[in-house]
Amino acid sequence: DAKTTQPNSMESNEEEPVHLPCNHSTISGTDYIHWYRQLPSQGPEYVIHGLTSNVNNRMASLAIAEDRKSSTLILHRATLRDAAVYYCILRDVGGTSYGKLTFGQGTILTVHP
Amino acid sequence: GAVVSQHPSRVICKSGTSVKIECRSLDFQATTMFWYRQFPKQSLMLMATSNEGSKATYEQGVEKDKFLINHASLTLSTLTVTSAHPEDSSFYICSARRDGTNYGYTFGSGTRLTVV
Repeated sequence: DAKTTQPNSMESNEEEPVHLPCNHSTISGTDYIHWYRQLPSQGPEYVIHGLTSNVNNRMASLAIAEDRKSSTLILHRATLRDAAVYYCILRDVGGTSYGKLTFGQGTILTVHP
Repeated sequence: GAVVSQHPSRVICKSGTSVKIECRSLDFQATTMFWYRQFPKQSLMLMATSNEGSKATYEQGVEKDKFLINHASLTLSTLTVTSAHPEDSSFYICSARRDGTNYGYTFGSGTRLTVV
């Protein structure tokens, strides 16, 4: 499975933008970049995903480097409810993996009031 | 849409007994579902891939005879922890994705299993 590298933790202030980086230098052409977040004692929540082009939705934006070896999840205005562990995951749609998601350690985001 | 219901949310069982956890996709069909386990302060570890109408695919190191998976319909997968021991105490989470789409995955709210 292609792996991702994320910082262990990041901090932000409320109402400010947050840029969460992810490196995936061994990404293959069929790997989608997925982002999920998890609050304590809850299942992960889907945030956003993309293949090559930047993506926007109501929760966040995903900026993907031209060579696809890195990406950045952008929370435009952090709130206290955005404090969570954020996971960047590569999903392989090819082969016999059934598109499984393999989680890394993620980034713990702390948002200060 | 895309809701996954997991039940029970918490269960305490005695050592040596078996526990069944259900994972249902409420408003979509899911031929494939996934089961994860998460220990405190750790990331999710994929245990197995559940496929409707066929045998589950287990990750390396996961005992298939201990963690029985049944995916009898397009909306229901079950995980049975057999002969549970205290070391099986963990947070178990399932996930699914709507068939025929490239949507993101939806996760259940998790089951906290405590074996005493």
